[in-house]
Amino acid sequence: QKEVEQDPGPLSVPEGAIVSLNCTYSNSAFQYFMWYRQYSRKGPELLMYTYSSGNKEDGRFTAQVDKSSKYISLFIRDSQPSDSATYLCAMIKTSYDKVIFGPGTSLSVIP
Amino acid sequence: DVKVTQSSRYLVKRTGEKVFLECVQDMDHENMFWYRQDPGLGLRLIYFSYDVKMKEKGDIPEGYSVSREKKERFSLILESTSTNQTSMYLCASSPPLTSRTDTQYFGPGTRLTVL
Repeated sequence: QKEVEQDPGPLSVPEGAIVSLNCTYSNSAFQYFMWYRQYSRKGPELLMYTYSSGNKEDGRFTAQVDKSSKYISLFIRDSQPSDSATYLCAMIKTSYDKVIFGPGTSLSVIP
Repeated sequence: DVKVTQSSRYLVKRTGEKVFLECVQDMDHENMFWYRQDPGLGLRLIYFSYDVKMKEKGDIPEGYSVSREKKERFSLILESTSTNQTSMYLCASSPPLTSRTDTQYFGPGTRLTVL
């Protein structure tokens, strides 16, 4: 079983839709959770960073962590064509550990 | 503004050739990383470095070596390429791991094709 699992998609939604992207993980030791966005032919860029369980909001993006279920989500409200990208979840156990990435979900927002 | 640059965006090599990928960061970060990214497999860590002249193996170091002679530069070396090394190679850097807000900043990637 992979440490971090993510539905690869592709996910296609109409402009303005609410998008839900999810990851599950197997190791309860993970404490820091991140979402990266990667546009085609570019490197990943950090979108959201959360510590432990709870929600964090930044504009149209909300990151949610449920440690009891070992499940994290990224919600995108009022999705835009510019949100079309691959979204990678990532997590680490402590600040000293290497980052573990999910395989990514490809999202297309259709105008 | 944070910047990580990689020496090439696209490379095509023949089996057995040597490849040298260079990564430069301008953020004075201690940590630098080399990943490869393949469809369905995500990002896999090849090597990382916590300081000049220091290196640590990641998850898939076989067939690769690295060099870090200066803090801002981290090079990935493929001594004798094989077709299974066709991939996207991504370099990243991050502040010291003692920081609770450490994140990794990625370069644009090098797409290597080995024929």
